[in-house]
Amino acid sequence: ETGVTQSPTHLIKTRGQQVTLRCSSQSGHNTVSWYQQALGQGPQFIFQYYREEENGRGNFPPRFSGLQFPNYSSELNVNALELDDSALYLCASTDGGQETQYFGPGTRLLVL
Amino acid sequence: AQKITQTQPGMFVQEKEAVTLDCTYDTSDQSYGLFWYKQPSSGEMIFLIYQGSYDEQNATEGRYSLNFQKARKSANLVISASQLGDSAMYFCAMRDPYGNNRLAFGKGNQVVVIP
Repeated sequence: ETGVTQSPTHLIKTRGQQVTLRCSSQSGHNTVSWYQQALGQGPQFIFQYYREEENGRGNFPPRFSGLQFPNYSSELNVNALELDDSALYLCASTDGGQETQYFGPGTRLLVL
Repeated sequence: AQKITQTQPGMFVQEKEAVTLDCTYDTSDQSYGLFWYKQPSSGEMIFLIYQGSYDEQNATEGRYSLNFQKARKSANLVISASQLGDSAMYFCAMRDPYGNNRLAFGKGNQVVVIP
């Protein structure tokens, strides 16, 4: 069974640029959630995708957007990057009927 | 809104000793789930243990056990026989059953195991 994978592992961008982060869900999982973890904090929920549709969103502006593909992999896009977007971005997958979300290794984004 | 509180400062624990990490939560829901995750310096969140609000027995998974006190709204994690590899941040989280099962996390507890 393949676990959750994310790419890239690290990324450096400048303010105003756009970034795309990718996530492959664990085999058999149809639900993907994205979280942002700032330094020294717990993860904050960004949004969730279930069967290619957005299924809930946290308190993040519209410049944070996402996508889920038929194979249940997912992308997180962030436009007009700001310094405060520097964080670890975590993707988690689950089968819709399960309780537990399983996380990937994360993408560390630095905005200069 | 749900809230998870983890207020302990960083902890040092002797190898082979047990350690208890505190977590309190606030919710008006009757049905909810509580989780503990481990985050080593590499960044990955590793699932440790789950407790459902209607579970009468405290959850256990190997060296991990969850001391669930529903009336006090606490869900403390106990790690028995600490190992050097247990050094990490530990996060308590709650599942929102009415909010697409999103997880709300606490700020975490730092644990350092010393030989």
